[in-house]
Amino acid sequence: NAGVTQTPKFQVLKTGQSMTLQCAQDMNHNSMYWYRQDPGMGLRLIYYSASEGTTDKGEVPNGYNVSRLNKREFSLRLESAAPSQTSVYFCATRVHVPGGYTFGSGTRLTVV
Amino acid sequence: GENVEQHPSTLSVQEGDSAVIKCTYSDSASNYFPWYKQELGKGSQLIIDIRSNVGEKKDQRIAVTLNKTAKHFSLHITETQPEDSAVYFCAAGLTGTASKLTFGTGTRLQVTL
Repeated sequence: NAGVTQTPKFQVLKTGQSMTLQCAQDMNHNSMYWYRQDPGMGLRLIYYSASEGTTDKGEVPNGYNVSRLNKREFSLRLESAAPSQTSVYFCATRVHVPGGYTFGSGTRLTVV
Repeated sequence: GENVEQHPSTLSVQEGDSAVIKCTYSDSASNYFPWYKQELGKGSQLIIDIRSNVGEKKDQRIAVTLNKTAKHFSLHITETQPEDSAVYFCAAGLTGTASKLTFGTGTRLQVTL
Protein backbone atom coordinates (compact mmCIF):
# COMPACT_ATOMS: atom_id res chain seq x y z
CA ASN A 1 0.00 0.00 0.00
CA ALA A 2 1.36 3.39 -0.98
CA GLY A 3 -0.56 5.33 1.70
CA VAL A 4 0.13 9.03 1.12
CA THR A 5 2.36 9.97 -1.82
CA GLN A 6 3.92 13.41 -2.21
CA THR A 7 5.69 14.77 -5.25
CA PRO A 8 8.25 16.12 -5.77
CA LYS A 9 10.58 15.14 -2.90
CA PHE A 10 12.93 18.08 -3.47
CA GLN A 11 12.57 21.38 -5.28
CA VAL A 12 14.57 24.57 -5.64
CA LEU A 13 12.73 27.67 -6.82
CA LYS A 14 13.77 31.20 -7.57
CA THR A 15 11.90 34.01 -5.84
CA GLY A 16 8.73 34.77 -7.78
CA GLN A 17 8.42 31.39 -9.44
CA SER A 18 5.33 29.27 -8.99
CA MET A 19 4.88 25.58 -8.38
CA THR A 20 2.35 23.00 -7.23
CA LEU A 21 3.03 20.33 -4.64
CA GLN A 22 1.04 17.18 -5.26
CA CYS A 23 -0.46 14.81 -2.71
CA ALA A 24 -2.39 11.63 -3.39
CA GLN A 25 -3.79 9.02 -1.01
CA ASP A 26 -5.13 5.54 -1.48
CA MET A 27 -6.53 5.17 2.03
CA ASN A 28 -10.05 6.41 1.25
CA HIS A 29 -9.78 9.03 4.02
CA ASN A 30 -12.08 12.03 3.79
CA SER A 31 -9.81 14.61 5.43
CA MET A 32 -6.53 15.87 4.01
CA TYR A 33 -4.06 18.44 5.35
CA TRP A 34 -1.02 20.44 4.34
CA TYR A 35 1.55 21.32 7.01
CA ARG A 36 4.90 23.04 6.88
CA GLN A 37 7.72 22.13 9.24
CA ASP A 38 10.37 24.63 10.25
CA PRO A 39 13.16 24.21 12.82
CA GLY A 40 11.96 24.93 16.34
CA MET A 41 8.38 25.56 15.21
CA GLY A 42 6.98 22.11 14.78
CA LEU A 43 4.25 21.43 12.26
CA ARG A 44 2.03 24.34 11.31
CA LEU A 45 -1.19 23.88 9.37
CA ILE A 46 -1.45 25.71 6.04
CA TYR A 47 -4.78 24.45 4.68
CA TYR A 48 -7.01 21.46 5.13
CA SER A 49 -9.93 19.78 3.41
CA ALA A 50 -12.56 18.02 5.46
CA SER A 51 -14.07 16.39 2.40
CA GLU A 52 -14.03 16.51 -1.37
CA GLY A 53 -15.02 19.97 -2.55
CA THR A 54 -14.26 21.80 0.70
CA THR A 55 -11.13 23.60 1.87
CA ASP A 56 -10.33 25.72 4.92
CA LYS A 57 -7.46 27.90 6.04
CA GLY A 58 -5.12 26.84 8.77
CA GLU A 59 -2.82 29.04 10.83
CA VAL A 60 -0.36 30.03 8.06
CA PRO A 61 -2.30 30.20 4.74
CA ASN A 62 -0.84 33.41 3.30
CA GLY A 63 1.00 32.86 0.02
CA TYR A 64 -0.62 29.49 -0.64
CA ASN A 65 -3.65 28.10 -2.43
CA VAL A 66 -5.06 24.59 -2.41
CA SER A 67 -7.26 22.43 -4.56
CA ARG A 68 -9.08 19.26 -3.56
CA LEU A 69 -9.35 17.75 -7.00
CA ASN A 70 -11.16 14.63 -5.84
CA LYS A 71 -11.18 12.40 -2.79
CA ARG A 72 -7.68 11.11 -3.52
CA GLU A 73 -5.80 14.31 -4.40
CA PHE A 74 -5.05 17.54 -2.53
CA SER A 75 -2.58 19.96 -4.11
CA LEU A 76 -0.78 22.99 -2.65
CA ARG A 77 0.20 25.88 -4.92
CA LEU A 78 2.71 28.63 -4.39
CA GLU A 79 1.84 31.39 -6.86
CA SER A 80 4.90 33.57 -6.26
CA ALA A 81 7.48 31.84 -4.10
CA ALA A 82 9.31 33.79 -1.40
CA PRO A 83 12.41 32.82 0.65
CA SER A 84 10.16 32.66 3.74
CA GLN A 85 8.44 29.67 2.15
CA THR A 86 11.62 27.62 2.33
CA SER A 87 10.48 24.68 4.43
CA VAL A 88 9.60 21.01 4.46
CA TYR A 89 5.98 20.44 3.46
CA PHE A 90 3.97 17.47 4.62
CA CYS A 91 0.65 16.22 3.39
CA ALA A 92 -1.48 14.11 5.72
CA THR A 93 -4.78 12.30 5.73
CA ARG A 94 -6.94 11.59 8.72
CA VAL A 95 -9.37 8.92 9.72
CA HIS A 96 -11.91 10.53 12.02
CA VAL A 97 -11.93 7.67 14.51
CA PRO A 98 -9.65 7.27 16.33
CA GLY A 99 -8.27 10.43 14.75
CA GLY A 100 -4.63 9.92 13.85
CA TYR A 101 -2.88 11.26 10.78
CA THR A 102 -1.03 9.36 8.09
CA PHE A 103 1.77 11.50 6.70
CA GLY A 104 3.49 11.58 3.36
CA SER A 105 7.28 11.57 3.25
CA GLY A 106 7.53 15.32 2.65
CA THR A 107 8.71 17.82 0.05
CA ARG A 108 11.82 19.83 0.85
CA LEU A 109 11.45 23.21 -0.83
CA THR A 110 14.16 25.84 -1.06
CA VAL A 111 13.40 29.31 -2.40
CA VAL A 112 16.46 31.32 -3.36
CA GLY B 1 -7.69 27.71 19.53
CA GLU B 2 -5.59 24.89 20.89
CA ASN B 3 -1.99 25.53 21.94
CA VAL B 4 0.44 22.68 22.63
CA GLU B 5 3.76 23.12 24.38
CA GLN B 6 6.39 20.38 24.37
CA HIS B 7 9.52 19.89 26.49
CA PRO B 8 12.38 19.30 26.30
CA SER B 9 13.43 20.33 22.81
CA THR B 10 16.42 17.98 22.94
CA LEU B 11 17.03 14.92 25.07
CA SER B 12 20.08 12.69 25.24
CA VAL B 13 19.97 9.36 27.08
CA GLN B 14 22.20 6.34 27.27
CA GLU B 15 21.06 3.11 25.72
CA GLY B 16 18.90 1.19 28.18
CA ASP B 17 17.80 4.27 30.12
CA SER B 18 14.28 5.71 30.06
CA ALA B 19 13.19 8.85 28.23
CA VAL B 20 10.26 11.09 29.12
CA ILE B 21 8.79 13.84 26.94
CA LYS B 22 6.08 16.12 28.29
CA CYS B 23 3.36 18.17 26.62
CA THR B 24 0.72 20.55 27.86
CA TYR B 25 -2.41 21.66 26.02
CA SER B 26 -4.77 24.55 26.49
CA ASP B 27 -8.19 23.51 25.15
CA SER B 28 -10.09 21.39 27.64
CA ALA B 29 -12.33 20.17 24.80
CA SER B 30 -9.46 18.22 23.21
CA ASN B 31 -9.99 14.50 23.65
CA TYR B 32 -7.37 12.86 21.45
CA PHE B 33 -3.60 12.93 22.02
CA PRO B 34 -1.31 11.14 19.55
CA TRP B 35 2.47 10.89 19.50
CA TYR B 36 4.48 10.81 16.29
CA LYS B 37 8.04 9.71 15.53
CA GLN B 38 9.91 11.35 12.69
CA GLU B 39 13.11 9.79 11.44
CA LEU B 40 15.53 11.77 9.33
CA GLY B 41 14.17 12.52 5.88
CA LYS B 42 10.86 10.77 6.49
CA GLY B 43 7.29 11.66 7.32
CA SER B 44 6.01 11.27 10.86
CA GLN B 45 4.68 7.91 12.01
CA LEU B 46 2.02 7.47 14.66
CA ILE B 47 3.54 5.47 17.52
CA ILE B 48 0.87 5.66 20.21
CA ASP B 49 -2.24 7.64 21.00
CA ILE B 50 -4.60 8.09 23.92
CA ARG B 51 -8.12 9.34 24.31
CA SER B 52 -9.34 11.42 27.20
CA ASN B 53 -11.39 8.61 28.71
CA VAL B 54 -8.25 6.74 29.84
CA GLY B 55 -5.30 7.82 31.93
CA GLU B 56 -2.57 5.56 30.60
CA LYS B 57 -1.84 3.36 27.60
CA LYS B 58 1.10 1.04 26.98
CA ASP B 59 2.51 -0.63 23.91
CA GLN B 60 5.64 -2.67 24.67
CA ARG B 61 8.38 -0.16 25.60
CA ILE B 62 6.22 2.89 24.96
CA ALA B 63 3.59 4.37 27.26
CA VAL B 64 1.57 7.55 27.34
CA THR B 65 -0.04 9.10 30.41
CA LEU B 66 -2.74 11.76 30.46
CA ASN B 67 -3.74 14.12 33.25
CA LYS B 68 -6.92 15.87 32.09
CA THR B 69 -7.17 18.06 35.15
CA ALA B 70 -3.71 19.51 34.66
CA LYS B 71 -4.02 19.33 30.85
CA HIS B 72 -0.77 17.54 30.30
CA PHE B 73 0.32 14.26 28.79
CA SER B 74 3.66 12.48 28.58
CA LEU B 75 5.46 9.92 26.46
CA HIS B 76 7.59 7.34 28.27
CA ILE B 77 10.09 5.16 26.45
CA THR B 78 11.79 2.46 28.52
CA GLU B 79 14.92 0.47 27.72
CA THR B 80 15.86 2.90 24.98
CA GLN B 81 17.68 1.63 21.91
CA PRO B 82 19.69 3.48 19.24
CA GLU B 83 16.80 3.07 16.79
CA ASP B 84 14.65 5.18 19.12
CA SER B 85 16.74 8.20 18.09
CA ALA B 86 14.39 10.52 16.20
CA VAL B 87 12.26 13.64 16.58
CA TYR B 88 9.06 13.07 18.54
CA PHE B 89 5.96 15.25 18.23
CA CYS B 90 2.95 15.35 20.49
CA ALA B 91 -0.42 16.61 19.28
CA ALA B 92 -3.88 17.38 20.61
CA GLY B 93 -7.29 17.62 19.00
CA LEU B 94 -10.74 16.13 18.68
CA THR B 95 -11.50 12.60 17.59
CA GLY B 96 -14.48 11.86 15.41
CA THR B 97 -14.21 15.06 13.41
CA ALA B 98 -12.27 16.50 10.50
CA SER B 99 -10.82 19.24 12.66
CA LYS B 100 -7.08 19.66 12.75
CA LEU B 101 -4.56 18.36 15.23
CA THR B 102 -2.28 20.94 16.87
CA PHE B 103 1.33 19.84 17.23
CA GLY B 104 4.04 20.56 19.74
CA THR B 105 7.39 21.87 18.55
CA GLY B 106 9.13 18.49 18.75
CA THR B 107 11.78 16.76 20.86
CA ARG B 108 14.97 15.48 19.34
CA LEU B 109 15.87 12.28 21.20
CA GLN B 110 19.41 10.97 20.92
CA VAL B 111 20.16 7.52 22.34
CA THR B 112 23.88 7.05 22.85
CA LEU B 113 25.75 3.78 23.17
